[in-house]
Amino acid sequence: DQQVKQNSPSLSVQEGRISILNCDYTNSMFDYFLWYKKYPAEGPTFLISISSIKDKNEDGRFTVFLNKSAKHLSLHIVPSQPGDSAVYFCAASDYQGAQKLVFGQGTRLTINP
Amino acid sequence: DGGITQSPKYLFRKEGQNVTLSCEQNLNHDAMYWYRQDPGQGLRLIYYSQIVNDFQKGDIAEGYSVSREKKESFPLTVTSAQKNPTAFYLCASSIVGQPNQPQHFGDGTRLSIL
Repeated sequence: DQQVKQNSPSLSVQEGRISILNCDYTNSMFDYFLWYKKYPAEGPTFLISISSIKDKNEDGRFTVFLNKSAKHLSLHIVPSQPGDSAVYFCAASDYQGAQKLVFGQGTRLTINP
Repeated sequence: DGGITQSPKYLFRKEGQNVTLSCEQNLNHDAMYWYRQDPGQGLRLIYYSQIVNDFQKGDIAEGYSVSREKKESFPLTVTSAQKNPTAFYLCASSIVGQPNQPQHFGDGTRLSIL
């Protein structure tokens, strides 16, 4: 049972345009959501997060939107840059002392010049 | 410079052999985690520990064992009981008691079977 799903394995975007990565979840107990960026042969790097009490969080070029009724979150990157090419994972947690994260399968983002 | 160090970067195991993956952190984090990543899949939780001398099973603990004798260290042993050990293994750490603090990851160990 996949509790966190990223239905697009890959996404290709023109440099300077907006990249939108999507993530759906099924567990209504999740109260904290994160996006990580990962380059090959490296560990994931934390990008941005959002608590379930908010519907939007912004950090520079990155904005995460949360729609609790639809159990959907999205990551917007604008403008997209070549260095943004990586695999992006969304993750969710129902915090119980330890932060047990459930990850989606990842979306490979390619920014074309 | 604080961070998480995983070693070795690449590891090869013979059939029937146990191997231990090292994870050390100097972030003063109480919680540590082990994940496994397979091609085209997300990370799956193997074990986690919130405090020294205590740890809990994650979603895929069978065939693995851990110890937490020191705050800084959380080694993972892949035993011969793990039938499909070839994967990319990632260690992470985080602060306990602050749900909005993200986990920080090491650069991983890639384990292959000879």
